[in-house]
Amino acid sequence: SQQGEEDPQALSIQEGENATMNCSYKTSINNLQWYRQNSGRGLVHLILIRSNEREKHSGRLRVTLDTSKKSSSLLITASRAADTASYFCADAGGTSYGKLTFGQGTILTVHP
Amino acid sequence: DVKVTQSSRYLVKRTGEKVFLECVQDMDHENMFWYRQDPGLGLRLIYFSYDVKMKEKGDIPEGYSVSREKKERFSLILESASTNQTSMYLCASSKVGGSSYNEQFFGPGTRLTVL
Repeated sequence: SQQGEEDPQALSIQEGENATMNCSYKTSINNLQWYRQNSGRGLVHLILIRSNEREKHSGRLRVTLDTSKKSSSLLITASRAADTASYFCADAGGTSYGKLTFGQGTILTVHP
Repeated sequence: DVKVTQSSRYLVKRTGEKVFLECVQDMDHENMFWYRQDPGLGLRLIYFSYDVKMKEKGDIPEGYSVSREKKERFSLILESASTNQTSMYLCASSKVGGSSYNEQFFGPGTRLTVL
């Protein structure tokens, strides 16, 4: 089975609302990362949270990590139509050479 | 501005052809990765390389091989393309250590169709 499973699979909101996406993983991690993918393009790194951190902010992004529940959430505040994309979490578990295990992603649609 | 480039955005090949997908990064990164992305399956790691001439199998290496003769270039080879290899292929790179440990930089992707 796959690490880093996202929930929900799809999310549709209005501009200005907040969007929350959740991610679960199965084994211990060094850090957890969130990436964004615009339709048909490559992924872009958004934010990284280390295993000893509980919360991190970057602009309109807020990430939390709960290692006891093996889960993370990504909050996008005051969403914009340009935030429409797929969002993936990826965990750097006890692996070598910087390998990441990606979840299946959440498709976010923000309606203007 | 850091960059990962892939040789083609779109590629159409016939069953049985040998296919080469090229990836080049200009960031002097040690690690390079090849993924395929399919609807509902997310990104799956095919192969990765942590140094020149070094390679490791990922989760789905069957039907693929790779080559890394220079640090900046990582090639994915489909020895005999099959229709079930129709997919989006993504290349990524990352550096070892530092504050951005594990952060991967992605190319734009190659959408391969095998007929």
